[in-house]
Amino acid sequence: EDQVTQSPEALRLQEGESSSLNCSYTVSGLRGLFWYRQDPGKGPEFLFTLYSAGEEKEKERLKATLTKKESFLHITAPKPEDSATYLCAVSIETGANNLFFGTGTRLTVIP
Amino acid sequence: ETGVTQSPTHLIKTRGQQVTLRCSSQSGHNTVSWYQQALGQGPQFIFQYYREEENGRGNFPPRFSGLQFPNYSSELNVNALELDDSALYLCASSIAGGPTGELFFGEGSRLTVL
Repeated sequence: EDQVTQSPEALRLQEGESSSLNCSYTVSGLRGLFWYRQDPGKGPEFLFTLYSAGEEKEKERLKATLTKKESFLHITAPKPEDSATYLCAVSIETGANNLFFGTGTRLTVIP
Repeated sequence: ETGVTQSPTHLIKTRGQQVTLRCSSQSGHNTVSWYQQALGQGPQFIFQYYREEENGRGNFPPRFSGLQFPNYSSELNVNALELDDSALYLCASSIAGGPTGELFFGEGSRLTVL
């Protein structure tokens, strides 16, 4: 059974305190792994796509990495505006936009 | 460039009623996907429309149906509403053949079923 598990469920960081969010997956035929950011009351906002193990993508204070079983979203020196829920999703072979999402990690960055 | 817009933003229905939610896709996008997001959960794929036809469906019953119009806008219809249908309904647009999984979401329609 396809599964995407994110940990931790919630994370509180002091401003400037770097950390990592984890997304582990068990799927057949991974086409891609995606990270989205969701602010309260808003729709998810696309951040990254990773296609193969060893791939890395960076955007400002965020860096996403991928292995054969999991992905990490590293947050370096976070700021309060990085507070959001970060969602991990996978695409399997049956359809490009049929994304299977995890339940997310709710990040709070305290000034 | 106009983003994805959804209406209504909030609505309350009673069990057994029917609801129609609307979505205008981002300019230049020809594919629309609908997702259901229950409180504290990740979005769950309902279905996708391309060229006015359903082009992929998740594990949702037939009382969830949709339409796509020639201008690429879309509707989600839910019949015989149940309490568990209470959720945020998200519309996402993309370009067929574009980057896999790069979806542009609207802000959603919050449905409460009493």
